[in-house]
Amino acid sequence: QKEVEQNSGPLSVPEGAIASLNCTYSDRGSQSFFWYRQYSGKSPELIMFIYSNGDKEDGRFTAQLNKASQYVSLLIRDSQPSDSATYLCAVTANKLVFGAGTILRVKS
Amino acid sequence: DTEVTQTPKHLVMGMTNKKSLKCEQHMGHRAMYWYKQKAKKPPELMFVYSYEKLSINESVPSRFSPECPNSSLLNLHLHALQPEDSALYLCASSLIFMRDEQYFGPGTRLTVT
Repeated sequence: QKEVEQNSGPLSVPEGAIASLNCTYSDRGSQSFFWYRQYSGKSPELIMFIYSNGDKEDGRFTAQLNKASQYVSLLIRDSQPSDSATYLCAVTANKLVFGAGTILRVKS
Repeated sequence: DTEVTQTPKHLVMGMTNKKSLKCEQHMGHRAMYWYKQKAKKPPELMFVYSYEKLSINESVPSRFSPECPNSSLLNLHLHALQPEDSALYLCASSLIFMRDEQYFGPGTRLTVT
């Protein structure tokens, strides 16, 4: 079992829709949870972090964490073509572990 | 300001060359990291420095040699690399080792010929 699992996609959504990205992790001792956006050929950009159970909202982005289910998600409201990228879920236990990433495509 | 800078942006080197990658941050972060990223793969941790001391070496071959001259600078010295070492090399920093959010620099695209 991989430490951090994501559906590789691509996830295709129409412009203006909600994109839902999901991630599960195996280490129950994980304490910090991050979502990075990576455009092709560029470095990862931190877009959300969450440390406690529940929802955290920042603009069009909402991160959701459920430690009991070992599940973290990212919702992107009003998706734009510029949101098209690979989204990396990352989890900290004794080191930062990345999922393989989900490719998101927003079609105009 | 969450800026991490890296130089050079691109580097082409032969297998007998010696080169260095540089990383700098002025956010007062005390932890700095080197990652390697191959195409269509997530970043892989190579080294971690915490308070200027090497804390983690992820069994990286000795042809990669990290150095942390001070709390703002991180270098990666390269020698006798192999073509399979061609990748995007990313530097990151965080306030505290492995606890807080990590901010990445733009990376150095390395090609070994």
